[in-house]
Amino acid sequence: DADVTQTPRNRITKTGKRIMLECSQTKGHDRMYWYRQDPGLGLRLIYYSFDVKDINKGEISDGYSVSRQAQAKFSLSLESAIPNQTALYFCATSGLRTGGGELFFGEGSRLTVL
Amino acid sequence: KNEVEQSPQNLTAQEGEFITINCSYSVGISALHWLQQHPGGGIVSLFMLSSGKKKHGRLIATINIQEKHSSLHITASHPRDSAVYICSPPGGATNKLIFGTGTLLAVQP
Repeated sequence: DADVTQTPRNRITKTGKRIMLECSQTKGHDRMYWYRQDPGLGLRLIYYSFDVKDINKGEISDGYSVSRQAQAKFSLSLESAIPNQTALYFCATSGLRTGGGELFFGEGSRLTVL
Repeated sequence: KNEVEQSPQNLTAQEGEFITINCSYSVGISALHWLQQHPGGGIVSLFMLSSGKKKHGRLIATINIQEKHSSLHITASHPRDSAVYICSPPGGATNKLIFGTGTLLAVQP
């Protein structure tokens, strides 16, 4: 099994639909992150969580919400998807307390909003 | 001013050449990561370093904490090294991860 698993890997949806991207990890890391990647803009932070009860907004959190259901699971929701949320989304984990700061990424979820 | 600056943004090299990618940052640091992303692919961590130098095969990463600068070197470059290379220092007091926009490397045979 992959260290960080994202589902779905690809999704096409319509404007206004609710979408959830899920991320689970087997590393036992305390920190989890959601990023989006757009051509020419690099990785931009949407939300991050340092613990199950510690969730923080990143630089582009508007239109997104998250849930840290357990240490191993961190989900990203788009309550009402819009076309400019079309992007490649990455989940990442980092273990500062557990894992010495190692960084792992999921394989990405490509979302297209029509 | 961006918190992370990478240079060059694009680099084309001939197979066998020695390659250097630079990263300068303005935020605090506990450890810096160098990441690799192949076209259409996922992102993998190449190095995590907080001082000195690390080597893995043909890849070498160095960091100067005082100057807030890190370099990634590739010796005897190969077409399979073609990818985007991204540096990531921790983002200041909150320690959230931030990223440079990446260096697109193309190694031609």
